[in-house]
Order: sequence, then structure tokens, then C-alpha cells
Amino acid sequence: DTAVSQTPKYLVTQMGNDKSIKCEQNLGHDTMYWYKQDSKKFLKIMFSYNNKELIINETVPNRFSPKSPDKAHLNLHINSLELGDSAVYFCASSQVRGRRYYEQYFGPGTRLTVT
Amino acid sequence: SQQGEEDPQALSIQEGENATMNCSYKTSINNLQWYRQNSGRGLVHLILIRSNEREKHSGRLRVTLDTSKKSSSLLITASRAADTASYFCATDLVYNDMRFGAGTRLTVKP
Repeated sequence: DTAVSQTPKYLVTQMGNDKSIKCEQNLGHDTMYWYKQDSKKFLKIMFSYNNKELIINETVPNRFSPKSPDKAHLNLHINSLELGDSAVYFCASSQVRGRRYYEQYFGPGTRLTVT
Repeated sequence: SQQGEEDPQALSIQEGENATMNCSYKTSINNLQWYRQNSGRGLVHLILIRSNEREKHSGRLRVTLDTSKKSSSLLITASRAADTASYFCATDLVYNDMRFGAGTRLTVKP
């Protein structure tokens, strides 16, 4: 069984469109994340959710909005897509107990191409 | 902003050789983690070392942490072609805020 899954795997769309990427984890983790990996392979955290509460919000454009309907899902909505949004987006999850960290489990990634 | 910086950016070795990658960071951390990313795939966690630990082993992997120098190293012994991947270090700054470096691209030639 896939631990962290993302859909779609590939997404090609035009500038100005609105799109969503879905993420689900079946690990029972309490924290989920979205990362953006650019063409130079830099991996930048965008958001994380813990128990349905946003606890990190990097300085990303407000065109990006995470939505968590429940603990197992963290979807990423992107409005008014721009060329610079083209990247690979990774979802991840982890279990955080108190302030002790545990490893993050990553999804396979969604390659977004904006034309 | 990025926190960890891996060095070298790219490393090419022969199968059976050891591979050493380094990571430097700027601020105090709670822990440091190493991840592997195969081409076109997500990241896979390799090892976590806490700030009060100096060395950790996992199979053919050996990680060291020097908090005084703000650096860590990942050693892969007896490398295999299947070890070909990008390797990232990640550090946490505050609660659940992990920062990744740009990675070291390792190529192991059979």
C-alpha cells in the first residue's frame, strides 16, 4: 500500500488557470507538508498542517492555499497559475510528538508545467 | 531560505568505493536528517541524528554531526550502482520547520 500518494502525477496547464493537487497519507501521521522543488533541485517547504491547523506558512504567494479536510489529506490549491509555478510539488507527512521530530515520508511528486 | 548546503554538488565513483558527502548549516538545530532521491521520485528518509549525538550508523551508512562546526557528513561504504541518486540533508530550525539543501548528485559506475 502506498504510504503517501499524490494525484495527479503530471499536470500541464495554461497560465491563469486554477488547479488542485491532492495528497493522502495512510500512515496515521498528524502532520502533513507541501514542498516545491525547482529545476535546480532546491526543495522548499511551503506549508505544513498539524491536526488541521496551519503551523508553518512560508512566504509563498497567497495564490497557493492548502486545504485539509481531515488528518489524512492535505490538498494544494493554486489560483491564477504563472510560468514560475512550474516545478515538482511534493507532499509529505510525519508524526510529531511534542517537539521531537521523526522522519518525513514523501509522496512521488506532481510535476506541474505551466505554459 | 535554504539552510543546509551539501558538498560536493556532484560526485562520481566506481562501484565498491566509499562516497562521502558533507552538509553545512548556519543556525542551531534540533536534529539533522539525510534523505535520498532517485530520479523522478520522492525523497526517502535515510537517517536522523539528533543534536546531542555525534555519530550514527545504519547498514552501509555512517553519519557524523559536529555541532561546533555546524556540519554533518554522510558516508556510504562499498557503494553500489543502486546508490546512484541525489542526497539531501535537512535541518529543523524551529517546530517542524525543516530546511533542505540543494543535494549532492551521486553517480556510482558499475
